[in-house]
Amino acid sequence: SQTIHQWPATLVQPVGSPLSLECTVEGTSNPNLYWYRQAAGRGLQLLFYSVGIGQISSEVPQNLSASRPQDRQFILSSKKLLLSDSGFYLCASQPYYGYTFGSGTRLTVV
Amino acid sequence: SQQGEEDPQALSIQEGENATMNCSYKTSINNLQWYRQNSGRGLVHLILIRSNEREKHSGRLRVTLDTSKKSSSLLITASRAADTASYFCATDAGGAGGTSYGKLTFGQGTILTVHP
Repeated sequence: SQTIHQWPATLVQPVGSPLSLECTVEGTSNPNLYWYRQAAGRGLQLLFYSVGIGQISSEVPQNLSASRPQDRQFILSSKKLLLSDSGFYLCASQPYYGYTFGSGTRLTVV
Repeated sequence: SQQGEEDPQALSIQEGENATMNCSYKTSINNLQWYRQNSGRGLVHLILIRSNEREKHSGRLRVTLDTSKKSSSLLITASRAADTASYFCATDAGGAGGTSYGKLTFGQGTILTVHP
């Protein structure tokens, strides 16, 4: 079965600082990968998805970007964080049906 | 607009009782999935029901799907304190040639509290 490694678990960053969140997948190859953001423990909003190396699709306009430099690596980045970027960020992998989620990164922008 | 909407937003029951959560959605789907999230953690996949299925069971979980009403329900029987969590439905709209790329649209979730 696949495992998603996501780090760090928590992060406090000042406004205007850069961001890099990393997600790696074990136990599968060529999965679809996703970044979601969850506000206040409620619904998840899809930010980016990737169907292969170097292939990124953005779902919502925002201050963030994503990259997939390797098959099982998915990175979420920002050049300058905004207060509104605070939230719980979840990486997910889907080789077939049903997602496997990472444990999430709680980002607080101060 | 949000595809999946759960009802109720919060549910509080005693151990041993059954818990029923409902989900409504707006567009045609390929499948509907239910996930569980313990506080501050990642989501865990519980069960997937395809659009041509009406009912599915997994252990103490029972999921129904009514595509004519665009709704689904999750029933947890004989609940336990350990079932306390948030439960989310998520829809996969599918599309020709799998063009949804597996993207899921999540509802706002139901917070279930099971008291010992």
